[in-house]
Amino acid sequence: NAGVTQTPKFQVLKTGQSMTLQCAQDMNHEYMSWYRQDPGMGLRLIHYSVGAGITDQGEVPNGYNVSRSTTEDFPLRLLSAAPSQTSVYFCASSYSLSRGHGYTFGSGTRLTVV
Amino acid sequence: TQLLEQSPQFLSIQEGENLTVYCNSSSVFSSLQWYRQEPGEGPVLLVTVVTGGEVKKLKRLTFQFGDARKDSSLHITAAQPGDTGLYLCAGVRETGANNLFFGTGTRLTVIP
Repeated sequence: NAGVTQTPKFQVLKTGQSMTLQCAQDMNHEYMSWYRQDPGMGLRLIHYSVGAGITDQGEVPNGYNVSRSTTEDFPLRLLSAAPSQTSVYFCASSYSLSRGHGYTFGSGTRLTVV
Repeated sequence: TQLLEQSPQFLSIQEGENLTVYCNSSSVFSSLQWYRQEPGEGPVLLVTVVTGGEVKKLKRLTFQFGDARKDSSLHITAAQPGDTGLYLCAGVRETGANNLFFGTGTRLTVIP
């Protein structure tokens, strides 16, 4: 049981480059989210999805796009990387937040923008 | 301004001591969760509390949800070096979008 798989684990980008962070889960979870983690700020929600074909913005969505064409996959696209996007990115999935179920997290992608 | 404030931000204690971590907000939550995160890994769920006043125990860890569902605490008895890590509280607000908001985190170090 793989859980939530994120790739790549590490990435260095130059300012202005674009890239896609991949996330896949094999638990048939409807809820999926992307968070970024910065020192002293906990995890902040970027985008989330409550099911295939449905996405919405979180707290810090600017500079990022998402899509959810299947239940399993939820990629995060950086359109034009900026140094402020240097962070650790986590993808997470859940059966249902409304019933108090928690998130299962991936192991993260450490992104550096130079 | 963070929706959930945790205190203390850093905590360093000797093995065998007790400690309490607090998670506070002005918002009401339908549920509150606690996670622990190790370096280089994603957070791992420890517990979920959904009822005001609820107390849950997980071995030496005791979690409490405030009566008004605006705050929570994590108490560790006789801390062990294996308890070292980043502890995060997270909540789903009672009103508004059904998202999980995280606190600022408490970094605990237990010294052998």
